[in-house]
This record gives sequence, C-alpha cells and structure tokens, in this order.
Amino acid sequence: DGGITQSPKYLFRKEGQNVTLSCEQNLNHDAMYWYRQDPGQGLRLIYYSQIVNDFQKGDIAEGYSVSREKKESFPLTVTSAQKNPTAFYLCASSLPRTRNTEAFFGQGTRLTVV
Amino acid sequence: KQEVTQIPAALSVPEGENLVLNCSFTDSAIYNLQWFRQDPGKGLTSLLLIQSSQREQTSGRLNASLDKSSGRSTLYIAASQPGDSATYLCAVDNYGQNFVFGPGTRLSVLP
Repeated sequence: DGGITQSPKYLFRKEGQNVTLSCEQNLNHDAMYWYRQDPGQGLRLIYYSQIVNDFQKGDIAEGYSVSREKKESFPLTVTSAQKNPTAFYLCASSLPRTRNTEAFFGQGTRLTVV
Repeated sequence: KQEVTQIPAALSVPEGENLVLNCSFTDSAIYNLQWFRQDPGKGLTSLLLIQSSQREQTSGRLNASLDKSSGRSTLYIAASQPGDSATYLCAVDNYGQNFVFGPGTRLSVLP
C-alpha cells in the first residue's frame, strides 16, 4: 500500500530528553512536511523539505531539528530546547508544488512530556 | 501573511440534514485549496482538492466550491450521516508559504 507511515503512535518524553519521530513515505514524493497540532488550533508548520539534503524552517522551528538524507524519510527530532513539546505531530508529503499538488498525511504521533 | 479561518467552529445537526461549512482566506494568491477530514486522534484524510482555476469539485455527497477573488470556499455535505462526524479542515496551498490550515469545524451528526 502506498502511503505515509509515522512511528511511534504514542511517545513519552522526560524533561531534558531529545526524542525523534519517524516519517516514511513510499509515494515517491519530493516534498515532505512536519506540522504540529494543538487542541483548538490549526496545524502549524515546523519544517519542510522540497528535495533531498535540503530543508527550510517553518513558522515554529525553534526547538526542533530535521534531516532529509533519503527521499523516503524525514525524521523530526524534538530537542530539550522545545519548552512545550506536548502535542500531536503530523507528517505530510506532496509532489513538487504545482496547481495540482495534493498533500497526503500520516496518522500522527502523540508526544507527551512526563 | 496568509490567514485561514473557518466558520462555524462546531456544528451539531440531526441525521439527514444538508449542511455547509465555510472557509475564508486573506490572500487570493493560491495554487489550490484542499478540504480534509480528521477523526479524533487520527491523521488527515484528503476529501477534495480545488485548483485555483476551478470553481468547484464534487465527490459523492460532498461538493466544494471556491471563489478565489473573495477568498472563500464552502464544503457542502448532502444528507449527513453519523459517520460524517469528524473535524473538517481547509488548507490553502499558498505561493511561497506552503500549506496554511484553518482551525477546523467540528461536526457532530446525531442519529
């Protein structure tokens, strides 16, 4: 099945820990994105990558880091510098930005600070 | 900077009703607009994509319209069913800003 796989589904982080969220896609999409979703708010863009080995900061990149070493993979690391990391994290992918670009999403990872 | 709003924030209707969800955006320079459905604790499922040159798209009981000049889109759901209960989000694919999302409309369809 073609799609986007996020893992784990649930993740617990202790204070001061770095954690990494996985996102893998087999849709052959060039572009990949990470969003954060908080209750009652829309999705906010953390980082995006239009091509392998290149990525840009979104609106709320502070305290997060990413890498894009392979086309299929775009892992997100939540660092200890992110003071309020508890949220639902969504990964998405799309073809290069044209008029017909449709975004596809994974099932999300819920991160909780304990 | 593009801003997307959705009205109403929440909606509760009896089964069988036709309903309309609204999405507004401030910058008409968009590639397209996409409507999504999100079930609790789940990811987003794409429902409809309307290109900037199109006026509407239909899929089954769903019809989405786009008026780019006025910065508005509506999602029309015909003959609503309890299984339609979810949060509906719209997103614009903005020139140079990637996808910008609205906060969503939480829909409850009562049996």
